[in-house]
Amino acid sequence: DSGVTQTPKHLITATGQRVTLRCSPRSGDLSVYWYQQSLDQGLQFLIHYYNGEERAKGNILERFSAQQFPDLHSELNLSSLELGDSALYFCASSETGGRTGELFFGEGSRLTVL
Amino acid sequence: AQSVAQPEDQVNVAEGNPLTVKCTYSVSGNPYLFWYVQYPNRGLQFLLKYITGDNLVKGSYGFEAEFNKSQTSFHLKKPSALVSDSALYFCAVRDSYSGAGSYQLTFGKGTKLSVIP
Repeated sequence: DSGVTQTPKHLITATGQRVTLRCSPRSGDLSVYWYQQSLDQGLQFLIHYYNGEERAKGNILERFSAQQFPDLHSELNLSSLELGDSALYFCASSETGGRTGELFFGEGSRLTVL
Repeated sequence: AQSVAQPEDQVNVAEGNPLTVKCTYSVSGNPYLFWYVQYPNRGLQFLLKYITGDNLVKGSYGFEAEFNKSQTSFHLKKPSALVSDSALYFCAVRDSYSGAGSYQLTFGKGTKLSVIP
């Protein structure tokens, strides 16, 4: 158990809809990262938050947004969903801004868009 | 930009035999290299890392990795494979500092390791 909790584990929705994925980092970790894993693109970095502030953006679509709350949990919002958004979305946390490279991953939220 | 390549989508090895999962990297400065493992229906788990020092790095579950600067490789190895080692293995490189106190990992595509009883 990594200590990182993601909900929901599975989500099925329709095109055009909006969903919210939630992540609770390990106790004491200030950084939250979101990754998207798909068969064709592999593991893609989306966004990084540190202690409530956005620190870096990767290949995140404009239809997607995220935030980190004062209690350090984070939410990834996906809107106007398309079939191609179907993927496994991982949250990872670390104590620092990622300098050590050791990230602790949750078990992921599998999104299926029909 | 940093990148890693895992040339094999799948590696099959018999239980008890040594295993190697290959990774090559491309970085502009000193490499910070990592291996992660993903078991079915689970998140990624950190196995080991190379930052500096000995070229042979030891990690969790009996795994080790050999850093070779001249060949820009960081291959994952284990002397004797177990069926329970069957999983998806990812090589990763830490990006250069991008400012704002953030580093990210760039992952390879992953290699599926199957250990055959």
